[in-house]
Amino acid sequence: AQSVTQPDIHITVSEGASLELRCNYSYGATPYLFWYVQSPGQGLQLLLKYFSGDTLVQGIKGFEAEFKRSQSTFNLRKPSVHWSDAAEYFCAVKGYSTLTFGKGTMLLVSP
Amino acid sequence: GAGVSQSPRYKVAKRGQDVALRCDPISGHVSLFWYQQALGQGPEFLTYFQNEAQLDKSGLPSDRFFAERPEGSVSTLKIQRTQQEDSAVYLCASSLGSSGNQETQYFGPGTRLLVL
Repeated sequence: AQSVTQPDIHITVSEGASLELRCNYSYGATPYLFWYVQSPGQGLQLLLKYFSGDTLVQGIKGFEAEFKRSQSTFNLRKPSVHWSDAAEYFCAVKGYSTLTFGKGTMLLVSP
Repeated sequence: GAGVSQSPRYKVAKRGQDVALRCDPISGHVSLFWYQQALGQGPEFLTYFQNEAQLDKSGLPSDRFFAERPEGSVSTLKIQRTQQEDSAVYLCASSLGSSGNQETQYFGPGTRLLVL
């Protein structure tokens, strides 16, 4: 069965600094990978996805992620964080029909 | 266009009460999913429909949970005799299809259920 590990429960970043959120996945075949963001009291918004092809994926709001098969990682990055990026971020891998999510990383942005 | 909508957004139930949660998927989306998100956790899969067929219900935690999508559009998740451990956010998602890029799931805002 597939699984996702997000090692960091919380991360605090200064506004304007760069960000990297870690995601380790386990899946037997070529994975479909996703990053979603959840603001308080809201549903999940899709940031980006990897299905195949170029391993560097661009998403919305200036986010990107890199798929590294040899390391089983799909880390999310942003070069300059804005206060509005404060939220919870979930990495997910698609199995046969459903998504398996990590436990999430809460991003705090300090002034 | 309109996204996935869910109602009610908040529900408070007394222990033992039955509840029904509604999901309106994006128009034309074939696949519909229900997830349960406990406080401080990631969403966990409950069940999956393709049109009106329930293809996977392996995530339903007990026989008190029941989901239906009778006309292949709107879906209802019903929880009978609610227990305190049922308190969670229930998320609905839909996708256009079941292959390739059509598999991207779009989520609704969720229903926050509190069982007292």
